[in-house]
Amino acid sequence: GDSVTQMEGPVTLSEEAFLTINCTYTATGYPSLFWYVQYPGEGLQLLLKATKADDKGSNKGFEATYRKETTSFHLEKGSVQVSDSAVYFCALSKGGSSASKIIFGSGTRLSIRP
Amino acid sequence: EPEVTQTPSHQVTQMGQEVILRCVPISNHLYFYWYRQILGQKVEFLVSFYNNEISEKSEIFDDQFSVERPDGSNFTLKIRSTKLEDSAMYFCASTGTADLGYTFGSGTRLTVV
Repeated sequence: GDSVTQMEGPVTLSEEAFLTINCTYTATGYPSLFWYVQYPGEGLQLLLKATKADDKGSNKGFEATYRKETTSFHLEKGSVQVSDSAVYFCALSKGGSSASKIIFGSGTRLSIRP
Repeated sequence: EPEVTQTPSHQVTQMGQEVILRCVPISNHLYFYWYRQILGQKVEFLVSFYNNEISEKSEIFDDQFSVERPDGSNFTLKIRSTKLEDSAMYFCASTGTADLGYTFGSGTRLTVV
């Protein structure tokens, strides 16, 4: 079945470091891809999305490009801040215009040192 | 910005008791979902709901669980007889279409004692 695999955490970086969190997916057809972020004690917030191959989603300095050839959607940020400390979830949905469920990866905990 | 609202934020219940978790999805959304997250673990799909009926459910969503949209605005998850292993954060979500992304509520932390 459809699934999402993301790199194991926790990931610990110093402030202003470059961030990559790897995410690959298995799905038939053309899923929509998402990154969600969960700050401590809070719910899931949509960070960015891409709905077709080669689309780049971006928000708050984070970027991810939908790569169909490698079935990947890696999250990157050029210079992380302490406030980026959170758990990041890669996810996919097959729905398109009729929304099926969203499938999450296991999450990657990111901690940023001042 | 429109929000998905969940109440209560935290509920403690005794094993064997019934609980109802409440959600108010975004008003023009058509698809509704419940997910759960056991502490520190993966976010797991429970059920999806469209056009006043369940469109998909997971193996977790057994006969102890039910969902309802009683009045066109609320969307509820009922657990008939809670077990210790039902302790988790429960998230409600809604969307108009998948391309727009799914909006999640801030969750209800259910603690079964």
